[in-house]
Amino acid sequence: DIVMTQSPDSLAVSLGERATINCKSSQSVLYTDNKNYLAWYQQKAGQPPKVLIYWASTRESGVPDRFSGSGSGTDFTLTISSLQAEDVAVYYCQQYIDTPRITFGPGTRVDVK
Amino acid sequence: QVQLQQSGPGLVKPSQTLSLTCAISGDSVSSNTAAWNWIRQSPSRGLEWLGRTYYRSKWYNDYALSVRSRLTIIPDASKNQFSLQLSSVTPEDTAVYYCAKFGGGSGWLDSWGQGTLVIVSS
Repeated sequence: DIVMTQSPDSLAVSLGERATINCKSSQSVLYTDNKNYLAWYQQKAGQPPKVLIYWASTRESGVPDRFSGSGSGTDFTLTISSLQAEDVAVYYCQQYIDTPRITFGPGTRVDVK
Repeated sequence: QVQLQQSGPGLVKPSQTLSLTCAISGDSVSSNTAAWNWIRQSPSRGLEWLGRTYYRSKWYNDYALSVRSRLTIIPDASKNQFSLQLSSVTPEDTAVYYCAKFGGGSGWLDSWGQGTLVIVSS
């Protein structure tokens, strides 16, 4: 299985400030179609995960544009450009180049400082 | 808009079979473009994909190696739902179980059930 790692485990950011989460895969998720098979999810307490971004940088419909994804190959970043109170959650990356054997990162908890 | 509604018991005894059902609205379990999954989440294992069922002129299933010998996913087109049956459970199977749909014809999960906490205990 492809192993996903994330850093940091948790971070606290002031409202309006930038939050940056890193994700690394044990092997490249860049396929021959030049797409990165990488998604990001947000999970709030007591709720299922919600997809924010797929293809590493494509925002799901309805997701605010303060969320952005970048990276290629094995190294990826989720950025929240201006943290809002409602963004407090755990964030996960997920690879799907090995569909159906998708795997998730361990999560990064984001809180307000 | 796809909605997934889970049902099933929250407490199962060791060695018994865990059974959950996911009812689909806004899509079809027999869709030729969708795939229907079970995922679980626990503090020790994180988010773990368990298996999927999908229809492409006939029914197919895929299972994670970790549960392959114990897991069966059953589609029911007449009720537009799919079910999970995990046999011979142990306390290590205690987790929140989710049903979810692969989106965009690919492997991200764009619709999720509400989750069911299943505790394996005598």
